[in-house]
Amino acid sequence: NAGVTQTPKFRILKIGQSMTLQCTQDMNHNYMYWYRQDPGMGLKLIYYSVGAGITDKGEVPNGYNVSRSTTEDFPLRLELAAPSQTSVYFCATVGNKRGTSGANVLTFGAGSRLTVL
Amino acid sequence: ILNVEQSPQSLHVQEGDSTNFTCSFPSSNFYALHWYRWETAKSPEALFVMTLNGDEKKKGRISATLNTKEGYSYLYIKGSQPEDSATYLCAFSLGGANNLFFGTGTRLTVIP
Repeated sequence: NAGVTQTPKFRILKIGQSMTLQCTQDMNHNYMYWYRQDPGMGLKLIYYSVGAGITDKGEVPNGYNVSRSTTEDFPLRLELAAPSQTSVYFCATVGNKRGTSGANVLTFGAGSRLTVL
Repeated sequence: ILNVEQSPQSLHVQEGDSTNFTCSFPSSNFYALHWYRWETAKSPEALFVMTLNGDEKKKGRISATLNTKEGYSYLYIKGSQPEDSATYLCAFSLGGANNLFFGTGTRLTVIP
């Protein structure tokens, strides 16, 4: 049971390049999320999905795209990388945790550190 | 977009000291309050999820309290150890898939 797996762990991009951050989970969770973490800032939601075939924008979606063709996979695509997208990206899923009165808790991937030069 | 504030931003304590920090959040439309522990070079891990006013949760030397009426939660660490060094994140939930708002975290360093 691997949980949430993100790849790559590190990547350096040139301005204008494109790339896809991969996220896959084996917990059969319906809800999946992409966050970015910038220094001194809280985690900001980029996009989220409540199930296969359904995606929606979060707080900071500009410059990103997502797809959710299967329950397991939720890739995040950067089409034209910009220096402002230098950040640490976290994929997360939500499942119910016993003993928490039905409230959901996030399970995070290990993160992907992206630098755009 | 809701404002979730954590204080202090960072603190250093000596091994063996007890410490606590605060998460402030809007008191209206409350659904749940999450605490996560985030060690450097690792991913955040859930510590507690609290939903009821007056809730207290405990995991080993770490405990948390919740006051939904005044909009704050405290995280306590008793007898801090170097392995407690991490950033502690709180997140306020309105319920629903996209209604979780994170604070900027409190970075704790425990000095041996």
